[in-house]
Amino acid sequence: QVQLVQSGAEVKKPGSSVRVSCKTSGDTFSSYTISWVRQAPGQGLEWMGGITPFFDTTNYPQKFQGRITFTTDESTNTAYMDLSGLRPEDTAVYYCARGADAFHLWGQGTVVTVSS
Amino acid sequence: SSELTQDPAVSAALGQTVRITCQGDSLRTYYVSWYQQKPGQAPVLVIYGENNRPSGIPDRFSGSRSGNTASLTITGAQSEDEADYYCHSRDSSTKLYVFGPGTTVTVL
Repeated sequence: QVQLVQSGAEVKKPGSSVRVSCKTSGDTFSSYTISWVRQAPGQGLEWMGGITPFFDTTNYPQKFQGRITFTTDESTNTAYMDLSGLRPEDTAVYYCARGADAFHLWGQGTVVTVSS
Repeated sequence: SSELTQDPAVSAALGQTVRITCQGDSLRTYYVSWYQQKPGQAPVLVIYGENNRPSGIPDRFSGSRSGNTASLTITGAQSEDEADYYCHSRDSSTKLYVFGPGTTVTVL
C-alpha cells in the first residue's frame, strides 16, 4: 500500500527556516508530482507548489517566490519542502500530496508553529 | 481571475441530496477536483476529472460541470458526509493551481 509519511512537528522562530520531508513508500517515486499544500488554523487549503522528479521541474505561486524550495532524493524516495524567512502567519499544517491536477494521496500533515 | 468561489455552508436532511458548487472562469477550460476534509484529518480526494471517483469513494458522490460552474453532488447524504469540501483547479492565466475557500456540509 502506497503511503506518504511526513516528518514531525516543528517550532520555529520568526526569520528562521523549516524543512518538511515526505517519504513515499510502496510505489515508484519519480513518476509522480509531489505537491505541497498548507492549512493555517481554522482556514482553508492553500496550494504551495510542487515538484516532478522525473522532469526535475518545480512550480509555485508568486507569493512564495524566493522563500520556497522543493527538492527530492530519489535514493530514499523522499521529497523536501524548505520554507525560509518564516513569519507567524506561516503557522499551519503542511501536507504533501501525490499528483498535480488531482491529489490522490496525502501525507498525514506536519504542524509548523512560528513563534517568538 | 484566479479565484474559485464556493458557498461557505450547505445543509441537508439525512438521505437528501446535497449540491456544492464551485465557480471560476478557469472552470470553462480546466477540470476540477474535489476534496473532503474532516476535522483533524488530511483531505481525501472524492472526485476528479470529468466525473471520476477514486477507489473506495461511495457512488453517492458525483461531479459535473457547466460553463464556469462545477458541482459536487451527494445523492442520499449520510451523517458521515459532514465535512468541509474544497474544489481545486487551475488559474486560467498562470496555469498554476488554486483551491476554493471550502464549503462546510451539515447533514441534519
